[in-house]
Amino acid sequence: NAGVTQTPKFQVLKTGQSMTLQCAQDMNHNSMYWYRQDPGMGLRLIYYSASEGTTDKGEVPNGYNVSRLNKREFSLRLESAAPSQTSVYFCASRPQGAGGELFFGEGSRLTVL
Amino acid sequence: GDSVTQMEGPVTLSEEAFLTINCTYTATGYPSLFWYVQYPGEGLQLLLKATKADDKGSNKGFEATYRKETTSFHLEKGSVQVSDSAVYFCALRSQIRSNDYKLSFGAGTTVTVRA
Repeated sequence: NAGVTQTPKFQVLKTGQSMTLQCAQDMNHNSMYWYRQDPGMGLRLIYYSASEGTTDKGEVPNGYNVSRLNKREFSLRLESAAPSQTSVYFCASRPQGAGGELFFGEGSRLTVL
Repeated sequence: GDSVTQMEGPVTLSEEAFLTINCTYTATGYPSLFWYVQYPGEGLQLLLKATKADDKGSNKGFEATYRKETTSFHLEKGSVQVSDSAVYFCALRSQIRSNDYKLSFGAGTTVTVRA
């Protein structure tokens, strides 16, 4: 049972480079989320998607873009990476009508030099 | 907006000790509350939850009671094991729009249990 799969697991970028974090879920969930995790700050919501084709900003969307091309996949793009975007990124999904539980991927550790 | 405040760590305990991690929240109404656990090198997993006041969530020997009077959801375990070493996150569910929700997380508490 794959659940939520994120790629890559590790990435090192130079300032100004771009990259896309991929996320796929095989649980037929409607809602998907991108969070970032920083020491002492917990997880903060970057973007979310309530359904295929829709996306909305979370708490910390600046410097990021997202795409929800189909029900399974939700990607996060950094167009011009900055050191402040060094973080661990988590993708999550949630089934419709559930009691709010999110299912998380294993995370992607990104370092921007 | 809705927020969660969690006791800061790190917390270091010996095996079989009692663990408590404090969590309080600020929110409109009575949101569902959660504890998630993150083991080293892994993603977050749901540990337990409570959906209304006075509910007690429990799992793997951990318990937390939803106290609306004190807006708290403290996590407890009576006898910890080395395998309980992890980061614990308190979270509350907020409605984004009709039929859609997000979770707001506390800062996390790192727990280390020594043999």
